[in-house]
Amino acid sequence: GQQVMQIPQYQHVQEGEDFTTYCNSSTTLSNIQWYKQRPGGHPVFLIQLVKSGEVKKQKRLTFQFGEAKKNSSLHITATQTTDVGTYFCAEPVRGNAGNMLTFGGGTRLMVKP
Amino acid sequence: DAGVTQSPTHLIKTRGQHVTLRCSPISGHKSVSWYQQVLGQGPQFIFQYYEKEERGRGNFPDRFSARQFPNYSSELNVNALLLGDSALYLCASSLHLNTEAFFGQGTRLTVV
Repeated sequence: GQQVMQIPQYQHVQEGEDFTTYCNSSTTLSNIQWYKQRPGGHPVFLIQLVKSGEVKKQKRLTFQFGEAKKNSSLHITATQTTDVGTYFCAEPVRGNAGNMLTFGGGTRLMVKP
Repeated sequence: DAGVTQSPTHLIKTRGQHVTLRCSPISGHKSVSWYQQVLGQGPQFIFQYYEKEERGRGNFPDRFSARQFPNYSSELNVNALLLGDSALYLCASSLHLNTEAFFGQGTRLTVV
């Protein structure tokens, strides 16, 4: 079945350092969504990328979609303790006329103050 | 406006029992999806309902079933609970089938 792989699984950074998580697929993605889940919380939608080579920014967060639409990345500049959580990429996969999200395994970010 | 609400928040059941989890979507949202999230993993898709019809089903056994009511709220039922069913069950609503998903806080189910 379709799978999206995320690396790394875990990342410890010092506050102020940058952080990047990568999402890779063996097949071409129709689009990619990114979610953040705080410890003990639920996934919260961050962004959706649709176009090949697309780059979107949200304050310190930069999202990229690869030219071949097989990979995506999330980069956080100058991490803060509020960035702690697990970041998931997810691909909407059409099935049974519906759209289900296939999530990657997530990257857990820990920030040391 | 209220977000997606799920009940109960926590639940402990014994192996072999049955459980019903409930979800109320954001007002106006017609699509509800259910996900299972085992500790340390990403959410796994179980079902999607749109306009009260099942529109998607993930790779889960027939012990799992769901339905959507005329007011767009939804129930997830799991029969013959196994220890491995222990997880956070997330409900997500969206305006339509392919728009962004808004997740509820989840129901943490523990099977003992």
